[in-house]
Amino acid sequence: NAGVTQTPKFQVLKTGQSMTLQCAQDMNHNSMYWYRQDPGMGLRLIYYSASEGTTDKGEVPNGYNVSRLNKREFSLRLESAAPSQTSVYFCASSRDGYEQYFGPGTRLTVT
Amino acid sequence: KNEVEQSPQNLTAQEGEFITINCSYSVGISALHWLQQHPGGGIVSLFMLSSGKKKHGRLIATINIQEKHSSLHITASHPRDSAVYICAVYFGNEKLTFGTGTRLTIIP
Repeated sequence: NAGVTQTPKFQVLKTGQSMTLQCAQDMNHNSMYWYRQDPGMGLRLIYYSASEGTTDKGEVPNGYNVSRLNKREFSLRLESAAPSQTSVYFCASSRDGYEQYFGPGTRLTVT
Repeated sequence: KNEVEQSPQNLTAQEGEFITINCSYSVGISALHWLQQHPGGGIVSLFMLSSGKKKHGRLIATINIQEKHSSLHITASHPRDSAVYICAVYFGNEKLTFGTGTRLTIIP
């Protein structure tokens, strides 16, 4: 099992560009999450999906959209990237809504 | 506001020392997560607990629900234990609230 995979690992964008971060899990988990991690702050929830076909906003959703394509995949889209979105992004999944398993992260820089 | 606080923020110790990292939270929780993040960036789940104590190898996690406090202990610490340790809690729903982490450095 690969667990939770994320692509790309690194990305540099110019302000205003768009991109989609991909996440997939092979553990048949129901819940999936997107977080961002910034220096000096705890991880913050951007969006989550409790099951296929449902998505909900987390603590910091502005500037992002998500798609739960199927049970395995949960993507995060930045429509018009801003320097404030420079961060490390983590995807996670959970079978029962409790113990979460994290992907390796995507380091995004917006110039 | 639901908050999670960790202490210390940074901890440096000699190899072999007994390590304690603390986590306190503001209101009642349904469960607590201890996570480890190595310098490469990946995050690994160490423990999930809602009461009592759990042990895995040299790692021990305890939680005191009445005092709203959890501790992570490492016995016989080793340089490979150097990492950031993160406490995260569920305040009654599926969403985790994270502490800012404790950076642990073990010197050989």
